[in-house]
Amino acid sequence: QVQLQESGPGLVKPSETLSLTCTVSGGSISDYYWSWIRQPPGKGLEWIGYVYYTGRTRYNPSLKSRVTISVDTSKNQFSLNLTSVTAADTAFYYCARATLGSAWTFAFWGQGPLVTVSS
Amino acid sequence: SYDLTQPPSESVSPGQTARITCSGDALPKQYAYWYQQKSGQAPVLVIYKDTERPSGIPERFSGSTSGTTVALTISGVQAEDEADYYCQSADSSGSYVVFGGGTKLTVL
Repeated sequence: QVQLQESGPGLVKPSETLSLTCTVSGGSISDYYWSWIRQPPGKGLEWIGYVYYTGRTRYNPSLKSRVTISVDTSKNQFSLNLTSVTAADTAFYYCARATLGSAWTFAFWGQGPLVTVSS
Repeated sequence: SYDLTQPPSESVSPGQTARITCSGDALPKQYAYWYQQKSGQAPVLVIYKDTERPSGIPERFSGSTSGTTVALTISGVQAEDEADYYCQSADSSGSYVVFGGGTKLTVL
């Protein structure tokens, strides 16, 4: 069974860059689409974007100017960079894997650590 | 931007049927997906491609579609079904993912 584990700082200062990595175990990163999804405390889900194992990406238009998602197949990892963060970027950040052949059937999720933006 | 609209809350007695709706202009063109999220946990996929149920999801969960509205139906609701439910789809061109605002299901 594939497992996803997010890692990165739990606290980021305003105007800085939020960086998270998702490590995939129990399966290969190849052949799948990998997404980042966030959820502000007490609020709903927001899709940030995806990366295909080839490196092809697609982002939420509302975040596109600040987001980069990349993949490292040699490490079975993919990463999120979100620049110029503000308090509005405080959220639980989930990494997720879609089912084979789909870009957004999110069948597997990480635990979703809370990242707080505060000075 | 494209929005999916869900009722903020629904309540149902144990053993009854719960129906949660999700409306969006692109739903006739794009598949809908449903997720269950219990307090403090990651979401779990319960319905995909409008009506398909992943393995391991109880048969009491079903999905339906009619024009610009899709619905998640839970038959014979159990106390363990109390959770937030989110619909998910894509914009009309299939360019990006959108989630509904979520529906809090309370089992009375």
